[in-house]
Amino acid sequence: GQQVMQIPQYQHVQEGEDFTTYCNSSTTLSNIQWYKQRPGGHPVFLIQLVKSGEVKKQKRLTFQFGEAKKNSSLHITATQTTDVGTYFCAGPKAGNNRKLIWGLGTSLAVNP
Amino acid sequence: EAGVTQSPTHLIKTRGQQATLRCSPISGHTSVYWYQQALGLGLQFLLWYDEGEERNRGNFPPRFSGRQFPNYSSELNVNALELEDSALYLCASSLVGAGSYEQYFGPGTRLTVT
Repeated sequence: GQQVMQIPQYQHVQEGEDFTTYCNSSTTLSNIQWYKQRPGGHPVFLIQLVKSGEVKKQKRLTFQFGEAKKNSSLHITATQTTDVGTYFCAGPKAGNNRKLIWGLGTSLAVNP
Repeated sequence: EAGVTQSPTHLIKTRGQQATLRCSPISGHTSVYWYQQALGLGLQFLLWYDEGEERNRGNFPPRFSGRQFPNYSSELNVNALELEDSALYLCASSLVGAGSYEQYFGPGTRLTVT
């Protein structure tokens, strides 16, 4: 079945270092969404990418959608302790835009 | 604007009992999704309701069921609880609209089965 895979599963960085998580879909996606879940919290919507090759920035976060619309990345520049959490990507199920297929997430730990 | 609300925050049940979890979506959102998140794991899709009807369900046994009410709030019922049902149950809502697919999550209900 349709799958969304994320790597790495875990990442431990020193504060100030950069961080990147990658998301790969087994099928072409109409859009891809990114969410962040802080420890003890719930997932919070960050952004949606729709266009092939789209790049969007939110302060230190840069999101990219691949040209083939099958992969995406989230890059954080100069991580801070507030970036700690699990980052999930999710894409719509083929033929059903209202149901999301979720990656397993990348857990980011930041050493101060 | 009020966010998605869920009740109760915590629920402790004994194996074999039934649990009922409740969710109120953001005003104007007609779709409600239920997810199970076991400790340290990802989101497992449970159920999706829209306009009062079940639209899709994940790979969970029939003892997981729910419904959506006319005001779009929703209820998740778990019968014959098993120890492995212990998890955070998250509800999310979304707005039907062109290109609008993002989901907004509630704080979750932490279910513990002993």
